[in-house]
Amino acid sequence: GQSLEQPSEVTAVEGAIVQINCTYQTSGFYGLSWYQQHDGGAPTFLSYNALDGLEETGRFSSFLSRSDSYGYLLLQELQMKDSASYFCAVGDDKIIFGKGTRLHILP
Amino acid sequence: SQTIHQWPATLVQPVGSPLSLECTVEGTSNPNLYWYRQAAGRGLQLLFYSVGIGQISSEVPQNLSASRPQDRQFILSSKKLLLSDSGFYLCAWSATGTGYGYTFGSGTRLTVV
Repeated sequence: GQSLEQPSEVTAVEGAIVQINCTYQTSGFYGLSWYQQHDGGAPTFLSYNALDGLEETGRFSSFLSRSDSYGYLLLQELQMKDSASYFCAVGDDKIIFGKGTRLHILP
Repeated sequence: SQTIHQWPATLVQPVGSPLSLECTVEGTSNPNLYWYRQAAGRGLQLLFYSVGIGQISSEVPQNLSASRPQDRQFILSSKKLLLSDSGFYLCAWSATGTGYGYTFGSGTRLTVV
């Protein structure tokens, strides 16, 4: 089976940096992806890591360590619009999502 | 460009009534298609996925079913809704099926009363 663990909530200050961790267990691994979901909206794709290391896309970066079954999403220069839930996900023809991390940003 | 349409946006249905939610994708062929459900404040639960016409895999035993009558059409159905079927239903598609770049529809918020 597959399972993912991520913190349920994280709080950070506007302009700061925050890291959301994700650990996973999977029988087969095809990459770790991250999605953002604002309240009432649908998830939107943020990033994907198939290989170890850091992937950077603007203010967002994602890291993967396959040997540790671990990854994280790093958000820099936080803005109030980044307040949302963030999900890590793993899988092949079907992907399984973590339960999500609610990011609260304080002004 | 590829787009995904899902309707209706909201739905209130009585217990025991039937359900039909439709999802269509444009601008691509032979997509992988998925139905997810999200309870309030919770994660996304995979319900069904399809890698081709008539090919449906069920992930969670329940009173829901899915069908794929055309390449880019995915339908979620129920003959008799339960209160526990309430939730936010999301359709998604992908080209590769590896989890890279899943695109979700705007979702249907279903309330069973």
